Amino acid sequence: DQQVKQNSPSLSVQEGRISILNCDYTNSMFDYFLWYKKYPAEGPTFLISISSIKDKNEDGRFTVFLNKSAKHLSLHIVPSQPGDSAVYFCAATHSGNTPLVFGKGTRLSVIA
Amino acid sequence: DAMVIQNPRYQVTQFGKPVTLSCSQTLNHNVMYWYQQKSSQAPKLLFHYYDKDFNNEADTPDNFQSRRPNTSFCFLDIRSPGLGDAAMYLCATSRAGTAGETQYFGPGTRLLVL
Repeated sequence: DQQVKQNSPSLSVQEGRISILNCDYTNSMFDYFLWYKKYPAEGPTFLISISSIKDKNEDGRFTVFLNKSAKHLSLHIVPSQPGDSAVYFCAATHSGNTPLVFGKGTRLSVIA
Repeated sequence: DAMVIQNPRYQVTQFGKPVTLSCSQTLNHNVMYWYQQKSSQAPKLLFHYYDKDFNNEADTPDNFQSRRPNTSFCFLDIRSPGLGDAAMYLCATSRAGTAGETQYFGPGTRLLVL
């Protein structure tokens, strides 16, 4: 029973355009959401997070939007660059030192 | 200046032959985690240590054990690897294990079971 779902296994975007990666969750207890980025032969690295008290968090080219009523979050990358090509994992947790629950990831390819 | 180091990067073992994967960290973090990631699947938490306190996930098979002899090192022991245990094993650390805290991952060890 997947609690965090990334329904698009892959996404291709042209350089300079916006990339939108989506994530849905089922556990209404989740109140922290994180995005990790993974290059081949490397471990995932933290990218950006959002807590449930916010609906948007921005860091440079990366913005995460949270829609609690829809149990949906999205990562926007604008403008997309070839170096953004990687697998992006959505993860969620809730207060009380519970472990992260990851989605299966979306492979983003940014085409020059 | 590597922060979370996993050795080896690739490990080949035989069906039923015990294998140990290692992880070390230079971050002095309290919490260390082991994840299993199969192809095209989400990383799945096997267990974690908060200092010396071991926390096993309910669905982690008994075949998987872990040791943390000190703050810097953590080992994953697979007592009798089966073909289904072939996967990428990721080690991660975090400072205090609180909700939303960043976890720092190693590059992973890819295990192949023949």
